[in-house]
Amino acid sequence: EAGVAQSPRYKIIEKRQSVAFWCNPISGHATLYWYQQILGQGPKLLIQFQNNGVVDDSQLPKDRFSAERLKGVDSTLKIQPAKLEDSAVYLCASSPDPTRPQHFGDGTRLSIL
Amino acid sequence: AQSVAQPEDQVNVAEGNPLTVKCTYSVSGNPYLFWYVQYPNRGLQFLLKYITGDNLVKGSYGFEAEFNKSQTSFHLKKPSALVSDSALYFCAVRDRSGGGADGLTFGKGTHLIIQP
Repeated sequence: EAGVAQSPRYKIIEKRQSVAFWCNPISGHATLYWYQQILGQGPKLLIQFQNNGVVDDSQLPKDRFSAERLKGVDSTLKIQPAKLEDSAVYLCASSPDPTRPQHFGDGTRLSIL
Repeated sequence: AQSVAQPEDQVNVAEGNPLTVKCTYSVSGNPYLFWYVQYPNRGLQFLLKYITGDNLVKGSYGFEAEFNKSQTSFHLKKPSALVSDSALYFCAVRDRSGGGADGLTFGKGTHLIIQP
């Protein structure tokens, strides 16, 4: 089975610019997650979708971050405007149901100059 | 709020020796517990999970973990380490009673270094 696909793998932007990341989950996985992994830390959940509805976005900085999952499949995460502290790896994960493991993509490494 | 502690930033083990990577957790209810491994520039790979049942859980690549409810621990173990086990290991938890919000809370990770 194909894994979770993410693009781009790397992105470098200047602060105050905007950026978007794309995720295609494993086919049939209803639940999709976005995590932020800052260097030297474990991943932190930003948002969870169940199909195309948001289940949990309590840790998403909504003044600058937004995410959507149109048609309950692909998802995009956007940052506008970016700050220096947003430099991190953004990981997408998917799961068929809550009791089963989450499968992670390889992430997008974002560097803010 | 739930949390995970991995008290060791780095664990060094000689090849062929047993290894242990420590993890303790805190949740308000009953936990689901996971171990993931991360290689450089890659996403996280699932190793094993505890949902319910036997306290000793066996997973991929010869790894196992023991759930200890009284000590709120879920230590990762392997009887004989391989150089290829060298990587970054994450323990993660979520509360079973999350009400549909089941994103994982991760520890900060432990670098496992297996010396030839």
